[in-house]
Amino acid sequence: GAGVSQSPRYKVAKRGQDVALRCDPISGHVSLFWYQQALGQGPEFLTYFQNEAQLDKSGLPSDRFFAERPEGSVSTLKIQRTQQEDSAVYLCASSLAPGQLYTGELFFGEGSRLTVL
Amino acid sequence: KQEVTQIPAALSVPEGENLVLNCSFTDSAIYNLQWFRQDPGKGLTSLLLIQSSQREQTSGRLNASLDKSSGRSTLYIAASQPGDSATYLCAVRNYGGSQGNLIFGKGTKLSVKP
Repeated sequence: GAGVSQSPRYKVAKRGQDVALRCDPISGHVSLFWYQQALGQGPEFLTYFQNEAQLDKSGLPSDRFFAERPEGSVSTLKIQRTQQEDSAVYLCASSLAPGQLYTGELFFGEGSRLTVL
Repeated sequence: KQEVTQIPAALSVPEGENLVLNCSFTDSAIYNLQWFRQDPGKGLTSLLLIQSSQREQTSGRLNASLDKSSGRSTLYIAASQPGDSATYLCAVRNYGGSQGNLIFGKGTKLSVKP
């Protein structure tokens, strides 16, 4: 597609529910990233995929957070047993992989705003 | 540990004014620095990307500079317009860091009054 697409844009969950957030990266971008942005803060790195391989998950805050990208395109971020502190905007970004035309520039989607009651 | 600071946190200027947003980082071993714009309820729009070997980048009314040795970058906006009102975020990527592991500042919220 023309840009990074995320869904749902807004999600309200009761504490303890599981949620799944979807990201569809720019066509041809093999690298995909998830970030978490709390209110009034800058985004914080969660995890990174190159194609279907999850190369860095050092930013995932707990084992309740799980991300996958099984076919190397669309990615899903799953949060199990949501807690109030999980309330944030979850941003997805994509980029070209290192190599030809690579600049390191990231392109972000509009985010999924999660509110946990 | 890399830390990114943006000053001021908020800025209000009249239309037409030239302005400078500041970004500082504690570890000068960066791979690149990127400036983003974020409108309320929206994602991030990339404005300018400066590689570690570069001193500045320009796009239209925007000019970003990088002084790696002092750990500073500035974003200069010329002839500001009400449509420039947004939060501006600075982010660095360290050498040796995972690709895409950007470290962000908290942003400067800009308001341009007509």
